[in-house]
Amino acid sequence: GQQVMQIPQYQHVQEGEDFTTYCNSSTTLSNIQWYKQRPGGHPVFLIQLVKSGEVKKQKRLTFQFGEAKKNSSLHITATQTTDVGTYFCAGGYTGGFKTIFGAGTRLFVKA
Amino acid sequence: DTEVTQTPKHLVMGMTNKKSLKCEQHMGHRAMYWYKQKAKKPPELMFVYSYEKLSINESVPSRFSPECPNSSLLNLHLHALQPEDSALYLCASSHPTDRVYYGYTFGSGTRLTVV
Repeated sequence: GQQVMQIPQYQHVQEGEDFTTYCNSSTTLSNIQWYKQRPGGHPVFLIQLVKSGEVKKQKRLTFQFGEAKKNSSLHITATQTTDVGTYFCAGGYTGGFKTIFGAGTRLFVKA
Repeated sequence: DTEVTQTPKHLVMGMTNKKSLKCEQHMGHRAMYWYKQKAKKPPELMFVYSYEKLSINESVPSRFSPECPNSSLLNLHLHALQPEDSALYLCASSHPTDRVYYGYTFGSGTRLTVV
């Protein structure tokens, strides 16, 4: 079946350090979405990638979609305490409404 | 209006109770979703409605009964729940298309405790 693997499970960084989380799908994706969930909050949509090899930036966040459309990454440059939370990737597959969430990466930022 | 509103925010119910969770959006989204999220886990899909018709039921037990009265409203009726059903229940909406997906807008959720 369709699966989206996400690593690492959690990451502790010092404020100012960079952070990266990776997602990998067992089959080709039609798109990948990224969400952020703050502690005690709900998932908030960050971005969607659709094209093979696509790279998008949002201020300190850089999102990449692999050439084979099976993997993706989110990179945060110079983390801040406001970046704390869980980052989920979610893979969309052609032919249905089902979006499969990765397990998430919990980011802890120490000031 | 770019929000999904869920009520109530918190709910405590006994195993013999009947309750309903409500979700409302006015973004013109024609796909609506119920997700269940346990602590430190990703959201887990329960139901998908597309154009007010149930299109996906992820083998959810019948004690959970969804309803989509119109394009703006989504309900989840609860009956005879078990303590292990305690979780955060999230409603989401999006534009539906089977070719290009759009991001979901999630509500803030209902934190359900079954006692």
